[in-house]
Amino acid sequence: SQWGEENLQALSIQEGEDVTMNCSYKTYTTVVQWYRQKSGKGPALIILIRSNEREKRSGRLRATLDTSSQSSSLSITGTLATDTAVYFCATDVQGGRALIFGTGTTVSVSP
Amino acid sequence: EAGVTQSPRYAVLQEGQAVSFWCDPISGHDTLYWYQQPRDQGPQLLVYFRDEAVIDNSQLPSDRFSAVRPKGTNSTLKIQSAKQGDTATYLCASSFWGNSDYTFGSGTRLLVI
Repeated sequence: SQWGEENLQALSIQEGEDVTMNCSYKTYTTVVQWYRQKSGKGPALIILIRSNEREKRSGRLRATLDTSSQSSSLSITGTLATDTAVYFCATDVQGGRALIFGTGTTVSVSP
Repeated sequence: EAGVTQSPRYAVLQEGQAVSFWCDPISGHDTLYWYQQPRDQGPQLLVYFRDEAVIDNSQLPSDRFSAVRPKGTNSTLKIQSAKQGDTATYLCASSFWGNSDYTFGSGTRLLVI
């Protein structure tokens, strides 16, 4: 597998709290993407970070990438109940054209 | 802009039966992907196309699975003689070649009993 085991998590939090999830990858990649999948829907891209970026922000989302440790994190600040979803990191292995997904982190946000 | 459309939304089969899944990608997207997502797991690539050509089908399980995209637009994924282990959601995604921004459909949820 391309992904390490930290990807497998389930987190339950209250609205307004911040949450951070992590993933690690085993081989070199030029980009890490984070997808959100809500129940009954397909995954949707929420943020993409390239190997020449250490941090990327988009609204309440913040992604980091550490190429030396081959790890990435996604933080959501001020969570809402609508942030309840499974979050996946994904990357194109060895510059290939197809994304490889991690196992995902389940985030449940209570109102 | 219409998204990626998949049908049917659900399918229930007995072992040994056949089923086909259909995908209509975003207009203009030349690359189409099929993923299998078992319950509580991440999507796992099965096959992908650029136009009508198969780029990689190495993860397509043996001879029971097949996929085609004859005109480089819509695609069909078929399972012959389904097994209980095929129970999963089958996701279709599309993109422009070389672009990592995929658009996924809502998937077809398959239950094999």
